[in-house]
Amino acid sequence: EVVMTQSPAILSVSPGEGATLSCRASQSVSSNLAWYQQKPGQAPRLLIYGASTRATGVPVRFSGSGSGTEFTLTISSLQSEDFAVYYCQQYDNWPPYTFGQGTKLEIK
Amino acid sequence: QVQLVQSGAEVKKPGASVKVSCKASGYIFTSYVIHWVRQAPGQRLEWLGWINCGNSNTKYSQKFQGRVAMIRDASATTVYMELSSLRSEDTAVYYCAKSLQWLHPPFGSWGQGTLVTVSS
Repeated sequence: EVVMTQSPAILSVSPGEGATLSCRASQSVSSNLAWYQQKPGQAPRLLIYGASTRATGVPVRFSGSGSGTEFTLTISSLQSEDFAVYYCQQYDNWPPYTFGQGTKLEIK
Repeated sequence: QVQLVQSGAEVKKPGASVKVSCKASGYIFTSYVIHWVRQAPGQRLEWLGWINCGNSNTKYSQKFQGRVAMIRDASATTVYMELSSLRSEDTAVYYCAKSLQWLHPPFGSWGQGTLVTVSS
């Protein structure tokens, strides 16, 4: 099973600043990596797939990069609605498809 | 637009079974699989398995093999997930999800979630 590890666990950032979230896979997952945003009481929302492709309707301030075992989600100029928990998911080696433990992005 | 609407919250005793439904609309039901993912309190998202809504084939995570069953009713465009021999660690929000493409993630559409509480 591929283990996904996200860092940091909590990231405190001021609105208007940028944020960089990391995700590492225990073995190569090629570019088969997705990022989701989850707000309290809601289902996850797909942001990025194929490591760098934005899902429909996702603002351009969200961008993804990386391949193999190291991935990054970058959010430029944070808006109030961006403060949430972010999860990465690999879908290269399955079953099972596995998720990271999440990074909580909070207001500084 | 794609919609996945799940059944309501459940409270079950240890050892019992729970059956959660997921009604799909807005796309060709039999052309996609439906996945089930759960989220226990403070835990990461966990994939349980998928069902092919066209031919009812299933694939389960080894962790849940023998305890989980997924079935579909094509006439009702509804998928059901049943988890048996419940224990306290199964307390979680259970989601159904549909991939952007036919089978594999990413999950572009999610149900609203169903809270299953296992407590004596």
